[in-house]
Amino acid sequence: DADVTQTPRNRITKTGKRIMLECSQTKGHDRMYWYRQDPGLGLRLIYYSFDVKDINKGEISDGYSVSRQAQAKFSLSLESAIPNQTALYFCATSDLRFGGDGSQYFGPGTRLTVL
Amino acid sequence: DAKTTQPPSMDCAEGRAANLPCNHSTISGNEYVYWYRQIHSQGPQYIIHGLKNNETNEMASLIITEDRKSSTLILPHATLRDTAVYYCIHTGDSSYKLIFGSGTRLLVRP
Repeated sequence: DADVTQTPRNRITKTGKRIMLECSQTKGHDRMYWYRQDPGLGLRLIYYSFDVKDINKGEISDGYSVSRQAQAKFSLSLESAIPNQTALYFCATSDLRFGGDGSQYFGPGTRLTVL
Repeated sequence: DAKTTQPPSMDCAEGRAANLPCNHSTISGNEYVYWYRQIHSQGPQYIIHGLKNNETNEMASLIITEDRKSSTLILPHATLRDTAVYYCIHTGDSSYKLIFGSGTRLLVRP
């Protein structure tokens, strides 16, 4: 079984709809992250969480919110989706005990299309 | 923000070593250099990281210059499955903040 799973893997939605992307991990890591990737570009950090009670904005958090329901679960919400949020979304985890925060383990991604 | 410079593309023959260079002239003394790769649209895969010394693991070797302003990732015997975009990253002030640039697109030829 995969260590970091994301659901759904693909989603098509309409402008204005609320949508939630979910991430679960079995690695036992404390830290979790959400990134987005636009075609031909590198990843950009949306939000990150160092533990269940800690949530921090990344470089592009506007239009997004997150919830850390448990150590193993970190969800990303788009309250009112817009077309320029069409992208590939990745969840990642890390643990200071295993290579530090720079050694992050990524899920398979969710391809989101907003019409 | 932390900034690295990599060639946009490279190629090598299957079975040969692939040497991917990276310049990170703004790196500070306590920052690690990390290498990741992304195969097509899959999630990025951590490869290796280092601080000052050269490092080797089952996937690759990392050579860091003495002044730490550049590094080279070496895939000793490239296979077709190593075709991917390779990212060199140093994290700047915040160790968790991976800033992905454009990377190097490596094509391994049969």
